[in-house]
Amino acid sequence: QSVLTQSPSVSGAPGQRVTISCTGSSSNIGAGYDVHWYQQLPGTAPKLLIYGSNNRPSGVPDRFSGSKSGTSASLAITGLQAEDEADYYCQSYDSSLSGVVFGGGTKLTVL
Amino acid sequence: QLQLQESGPGLVKPSENLSLTCTVSGGSISSSTYYWGWIRQSPGKGLEWIGTIYYSGSTYYKPSLNNRVTMSVDTSKNQFSLKLSFVTAADTAMYYCARLEWANWIDPWGQGILVTVSS
Repeated sequence: QSVLTQSPSVSGAPGQRVTISCTGSSSNIGAGYDVHWYQQLPGTAPKLLIYGSNNRPSGVPDRFSGSKSGTSASLAITGLQAEDEADYYCQSYDSSLSGVVFGGGTKLTVL
Repeated sequence: QLQLQESGPGLVKPSENLSLTCTVSGGSISSSTYYWGWIRQSPGKGLEWIGTIYYSGSTYYKPSLNNRVTMSVDTSKNQFSLKLSFVTAADTAMYYCARLEWANWIDPWGQGILVTVSS
């Protein structure tokens, strides 16, 4: 049972826009801690995709964007491409656990 | 650029200790800005934070693993380590080491090492 809740799967056709949600609580996202997103391609380590709720590391296309409101956050991917097919995880900090918490992951399928 | 590499046995017997080392290259583990951590991923499952260590030796563990986890740091070798005691099949996972910003993001990650618990 993950502390942050994500839908298990999402799909979209090439060129479409999809969003992945991440719901937390008053001890993590709701407490003001930032949300970060990771992309995990099959057989590889997770890669930082969005940090500080809506900042992209160098090299990440601007097709990826994040937002946060209240106890939830979202990752949006526009102009879907085949290479976007991966697992996506949200992450934050939880003050009651004094540690890192993850969402359960969302598998993105590009139709 | 900063790189992390996990090393250790890929097979551990039940009830024994799992010991892994992460070697940091391209930067100093003694940086005052960053922390260092271990995250694992059971086959087909999501990511699970195990613990975080600062170069001074301060440690922070996931509460449910706290009684089995020990992390240490060796600044002279630019390495940090994980020991997980009394392992069971449920500890079979890909183990990643990574750099953390406190209460913030995790980047970069090592490539991971698969550890199987089996007799």
